[in-house]
Amino acid sequence: DIQMTQSPSTLSASVGDRVTITCRASQNINSWLAWYQQKPGKAPELLIYKASSLESGVPSRFSGSGSGTEFTLTISSLQPDDFATYYCQQYHSSSYTFGQGTKLEIK
Amino acid sequence: QLQLQESGPGLVKPSETLSLTCTVSGDSISSSSYFWAWLRQPPGKGLEWIGSFFYSGGTYYNPSLKSRVTISVDTSKNQFSLKVSSVTAADTAIYHCARHVANGWYWIFWGQGTLVTVSS
Repeated sequence: DIQMTQSPSTLSASVGDRVTITCRASQNINSWLAWYQQKPGKAPELLIYKASSLESGVPSRFSGSGSGTEFTLTISSLQPDDFATYYCQQYHSSSYTFGQGTKLEIK
Repeated sequence: QLQLQESGPGLVKPSETLSLTCTVSGDSISSSSYFWAWLRQPPGKGLEWIGSFFYSGGTYYNPSLKSRVTISVDTSKNQFSLKVSSVTAADTAIYHCARHVANGWYWIFWGQGTLVTVSS
């Protein structure tokens, strides 16, 4: 299985901050990476696919980059609605594995 | 508007079989454009893909669960189902059904999820 490792596990930030979450794959996954946002008690919501493509309806303050084994999700200016848990997911191989999550907390 | 709704027992005994159903409205599960999937999330933990099916193309399972999992379809009710056999406490999770496109194994549309607890 391809292992996905996110860092940090927890991130404290303030409204208006620029934040970056990193996701590393245990082997090359090209650009087959998605990012999700999940709020308590809700299903995940897709933010980014193919590493950098913004899903329809997702605010442009979210962006993704990277290829191969290292990827980042950046939120350019945090809004109150952005405090949530974020997951990366690879879809290069048939186990379609997720990272362990990054919880974004209010500082 | 697409809606997916999971249903089934919230409590299953160890060694028994977990059975859940996903009822789809707003689309047909026999659509040639989409895969239909099950995923799960243990409380407070990360997500795991269980399996997917394509109505005219077959069923695909997570290799780590393949020996215990079956996904089946009832087109007359526009439902698909999940069975996980020989469950243990490690199978306690929120189970979601979801939809994805054939050329993108990421999930845009999800059901709200249903909690299944494995306990005697």
